Amino acid sequence: DIQMTQSPSSLSASVGDRVTITCRASQSISTYLNWFQQKPGKAPNLLIYAASSLQSGVPSRFSGSGSGTDFSLTISSLQPEDFATYYCQQSFTTPRTFGQGTKVEIK
Amino acid sequence: QVQLQESGPGLVKPSQTLSLTCIVSGGSISSGGYYWSWIRQPAGKGLEWIGRIYTAGSTNYNPSLKSRVTISVDTSKNQFSLKLNSVTATDTAVYYCARGGMVRGEDLWGQGTLVTVSS
Repeated sequence: DIQMTQSPSSLSASVGDRVTITCRASQSISTYLNWFQQKPGKAPNLLIYAASSLQSGVPSRFSGSGSGTDFSLTISSLQPEDFATYYCQQSFTTPRTFGQGTKVEIK
Repeated sequence: QVQLQESGPGLVKPSQTLSLTCIVSGGSISSGGYYWSWIRQPAGKGLEWIGRIYTAGSTNYNPSLKSRVTISVDTSKNQFSLKLNSVTATDTAVYYCARGGMVRGEDLWGQGTLVTVSS
């Protein structure tokens, strides 16, 4: 299985801050990397697919980059509704695997 | 638009079989070249991909669960199903069904259903 490692596991930030979350794959996955946002009691919601493509309806303050084994998700200006847990997922091969999650909390 | 909804028992006894169905509404399960997957999440923990099925019938399972899992599809009812046998307390989780694609991964999810394994 491909292991996905996110960092940090949690972070505290203020509204308006620029936030970056990183995700590393245990082997090259090209750009088969997706980012999800999950709020408590809700299903994950796709934000970014193919490493850098913004899913329809997702605000442009979210962006993704990377290829191979190293990827990042950036929120350019954190909004109150962005406080949530974020997961990366590789769709290069099966089994699909997720990072352990990054919880973004209010400072 | 397409929506997914999980259904099934919320309580399963240890050693028995967990059975869930995902009903796809607002579109045909056979269109678009998607696959249909199951993912679970124990309380307070991360996401575990269980497996997927294409409407032609081909499946892929997580090796960690492969010996206990069966995913099937019924295109006439526009739904797909999960069976997990010989369950234990460690199978207690919120179970999600989802639609997936080669590039986007799981891009559409059901709301999830909590299944508790307990006697």
